[in-house]
Amino acid sequence: DGGITQSPKYLFRKEGQNVTLSCEQNLNHDAMYWYRQDPGQGLRLIYYSQIVNDFQKGDIAEGYSVSREKKESFPLTVTSAQKNPTAFYLCASNPGAEKLFFGSGTQLSVL
Amino acid sequence: KQEVTQIPAALSVPEGENLVLNCSFTDSAIYNLQWFRQDPGKGLTSLLLIQSSQREQTSGRLNASLDKSSGRSTLYIAASQPGDSATYLCAVDTGNQFYFGTGTSLTVIP
Repeated sequence: DGGITQSPKYLFRKEGQNVTLSCEQNLNHDAMYWYRQDPGQGLRLIYYSQIVNDFQKGDIAEGYSVSREKKESFPLTVTSAQKNPTAFYLCASNPGAEKLFFGSGTQLSVL
Repeated sequence: KQEVTQIPAALSVPEGENLVLNCSFTDSAIYNLQWFRQDPGKGLTSLLLIQSSQREQTSGRLNASLDKSSGRSTLYIAASQPGDSATYLCAVDTGNQFYFGTGTSLTVIP
């Protein structure tokens, strides 16, 4: 089945630790996105990538980093510089000016 | 900067009722508008996409309209069912990025 796979479903971070969220897609989409969702707020864009080996900061990129070494993969690292990382993280992709497809999300919590 | 607003934030209706969800946006320079459904703890599922040149789109019991000049879209759900209970979000594509509303939480009471 074609789609976007996010893992893990739940992730816990200790203070001072970096953690990486995985996002893999087999839809052959060029564009991929990372969003953060907090209760009662809309989705906020962290990073996006329109093509392999290129990515741009979104509205709330501070404390996060990404890479796009392969078309299929767009991992997000939440660094220790992100002081309030508890949120639901969503990865998405689209072929351009078309429907946005989402993964099932990763819930990140702080221990 | 584009701002997207959804009213009401929550809605509760009896089963079988027809209902309308609203979405407004501040900048009419959009490529398309998309409606999504989100179940608790899940990702977003695309319901309907309306291109900027279109006025409406239909899928089953769902009908979405777009009035770009006034910055408004509505999602009409006919004959609501308990399985329609979820949060519904709209998003506009400006070509650079997508802007999302905060959603309307719908509860359909059996």
